[in-house]
Amino acid sequence: LAKTTQPISMDSYEGQEVNITCSHNNIATNDYITWYQQFPSQGPRFIIQGYKTKVTNEVASLFIPADRKSSTLSLPRVSLSDTAVYYCLVHSTGGGNKLTFGTGTQLKVEL
Amino acid sequence: EPEVTQTPSHQVTQMGQEVILRCVPISNHLYFYWYRQILGQKVEFLVSFYNNEISEKSEIFDDQFSVERPDGSNFTLKIRSTKLEDSAMYFCASSDGRLAVRTDTQYFGPGTRLTVL
Repeated sequence: LAKTTQPISMDSYEGQEVNITCSHNNIATNDYITWYQQFPSQGPRFIIQGYKTKVTNEVASLFIPADRKSSTLSLPRVSLSDTAVYYCLVHSTGGGNKLTFGTGTQLKVEL
Repeated sequence: EPEVTQTPSHQVTQMGQEVILRCVPISNHLYFYWYRQILGQKVEFLVSFYNNEISEKSEIFDDQFSVERPDGSNFTLKIRSTKLEDSAMYFCASSDGRLAVRTDTQYFGPGTRLTVL
C-alpha cells in the first residue's frame, strides 16, 4: 500500500485559496488518489478523486503531476465552514476495498 | 442526493452488554463497510461486506463483532460483551461495488457514537 504524507495542520483566512499537498512516493501504476473531508463527530465525506493531471468539481480541484508522486488539493476561496480535517488516500487494488486513513491535515479557517 | 443513514446517533451501554448499530446504505450499492474512530484517533477499517458475506476484515474485527444484512435495506454491526475500549464513533459506508476497486467511492454515514460505561 502506498504511504501518504501530508502536513498535520494548516491555517488560512476566509476568501483565500488553500492548497494541501500530499506525497505518495511509492504510488503504483493503477492507484487512484482520493481526498476526503471530515468535520468533528461526522463521517468522512468524499471530495474528489483523480489519476493524473487535473480534476475539478464544484468543491475542489486536484492537481497531480506527471510522476504522480504527489498531489495537491486546492480549495478556492475557503470559508469558515471549510475548517475540517482533510485526508489524502491512495486506493490500491491490492489493498482490497478498505480505505486506510492517516492522520490527515487539520485546516483551520479564520476570519 | 442519496445518503447513508445510521441509527442511533448516540448509544450508551453498560460494559458487558450487547449493542446493535444500524445502517441503511445507499439503495443501489452492493458493498458495505464499517469503520470506527476512537476519539482523537484515526478512522480505522473494521469490515467490508459483499454479496451477503464478509469480504475483508481487520484484526480489530474479532469474534466480539458480527455484521448482518437482515433485509434488503439494513446493514448492522453487533458488538457482543462491550468493553470500555469499544467506545468510539462507528461509521457505516457503502459503495457501488460495480466499479473497479480503486475508483469505487465509499460514502460514509454520519456515525453512531458508542459510549460504554
